[in-house]
Amino acid sequence: DGGITQSPKYLFRKEGQNVTLSCEQNLNHDAMYWYRQDPGQGLRLIYYSQIVNDFQKGDIAEGYSVSREKKESFPLTVTSAQKNPTAFYLCASSVGLAGGIAKNIQYFGAGTRLSVL
Amino acid sequence: KQEVTQIPAALSVPEGENLVLNCSFTDSAIYNLQWFRQDPGKGLTSLLLIQSSQREQTSGRLNASLDKSSGRSTLYIAASQPGDSATYLCAGSGGSYIPTFGRGTSLIVHP
Repeated sequence: DGGITQSPKYLFRKEGQNVTLSCEQNLNHDAMYWYRQDPGQGLRLIYYSQIVNDFQKGDIAEGYSVSREKKESFPLTVTSAQKNPTAFYLCASSVGLAGGIAKNIQYFGAGTRLSVL
Repeated sequence: KQEVTQIPAALSVPEGENLVLNCSFTDSAIYNLQWFRQDPGKGLTSLLLIQSSQREQTSGRLNASLDKSSGRSTLYIAASQPGDSATYLCAGSGGSYIPTFGRGTSLIVHP
């Protein structure tokens, strides 16, 4: 089955610790995204990537870092600089960032819930 | 910067009722508008995507419309069922094709 896999489902971070959230897709999509969702809030964009070895900051990139070394993988690191990391993190992908309905439909993973110990 | 607002924030209806969820956006230079469904603790599932050149899209009991001039989109759900209970989010994309999300409407359909 094609799709997006996020792991782990639940993650706990200690004070001063960096943690990495995994996102893997087998849809052969060029574009990948990371969003943060807080209770009662919409999704806010952290980072996105259009192609391998390239990524752009979203609206709330401070305290986060990403890499895109492979087309199918887009891991997100929540660094110790992110003072309020407790949230639900969602990874998504799309065919690309360009015109056409098919290219713009976003497919989401099941999410990772991060809490602070 | 695009802002997306969804009204109402929560809605409870009896099974079988036809209902309308509203989404408004501030920038009429919108490229497309997507509607998503999110079940509790889960990711989002794309329901419908309307391009700026289109007026509406239909999928089964769902119909989404787009009116760029008024900055509004609506999601119409016909003959609602308890299985339709979820949060519905809309997201508008401009020239960057990156969507801006609303906060969602939490829908409960009770038997």
